[in-house]
Amino acid sequence: AQSVTQLGSHVSVSEGALVLLRCNYSSSVPPYLFWYVQYPNQGLQLLLKYTTGATLVKGINGFEAEFKKSETSFHLTKPSAHMSDAAEYFCAVRHNYGQNFVFGPGTRLSVLP
Amino acid sequence: GAGVSQSPSNKVTEKGKDVELRCDPISGHTALYWYRQSLGQGLEFLIYFQGNSAPDKSGLPSDRFSAERTGGSVSTLTIQRTQQEDSAVYLCASSFSVGSTYNSPLHFGNGTRLTVT
Repeated sequence: AQSVTQLGSHVSVSEGALVLLRCNYSSSVPPYLFWYVQYPNQGLQLLLKYTTGATLVKGINGFEAEFKKSETSFHLTKPSAHMSDAAEYFCAVRHNYGQNFVFGPGTRLSVLP
Repeated sequence: GAGVSQSPSNKVTEKGKDVELRCDPISGHTALYWYRQSLGQGLEFLIYFQGNSAPDKSGLPSDRFSAERTGGSVSTLTIQRTQQEDSAVYLCASSFSVGSTYNSPLHFGNGTRLTVT
């Protein structure tokens, strides 16, 4: 069965510091990869997605993620954290032979002033 | 509106009552998903629709839970004889999912917050 792991259920960074949220997937075939953000009392919003082509993907709000096939990873980064980035972040995968999306457990990002 | 719409946004019900949660997906999206999110937890898959059929309903917690989709559009998730452990946010999402569109992302509604007292 496919699985997605996100190292660190809770990450705290200072405002202006680098944000790094980790995502690893288990698959012998590279899937389609997604990062979602969930702000309090809201649904999930797509941050970015990797399908094919360039392995460095830029998303909204200054976030980007790099697909590394050799490491089966798709870590999310942002050079400088802002208070408004405090939210829950979910990594998800989907294969082109299946209909379902598999979500990681999520990482809660706190940004300290 | 262009997004996924869920109603009601909040629902408080007494234990033992039945509830219906509604999801109106983005027009043209063939796939529709229901997830459950308990307080501070991740996403729990419940059921997936392709058109009006449900190829994967493996996530439904018990036979008290059922869902249907009509006209390839609106879906209703029904919970019978609600229990306190059913309290959660129920999220609906839709997506393209035919052929070359497997790379299409899920689009989520804002969810229905269900509280069973």
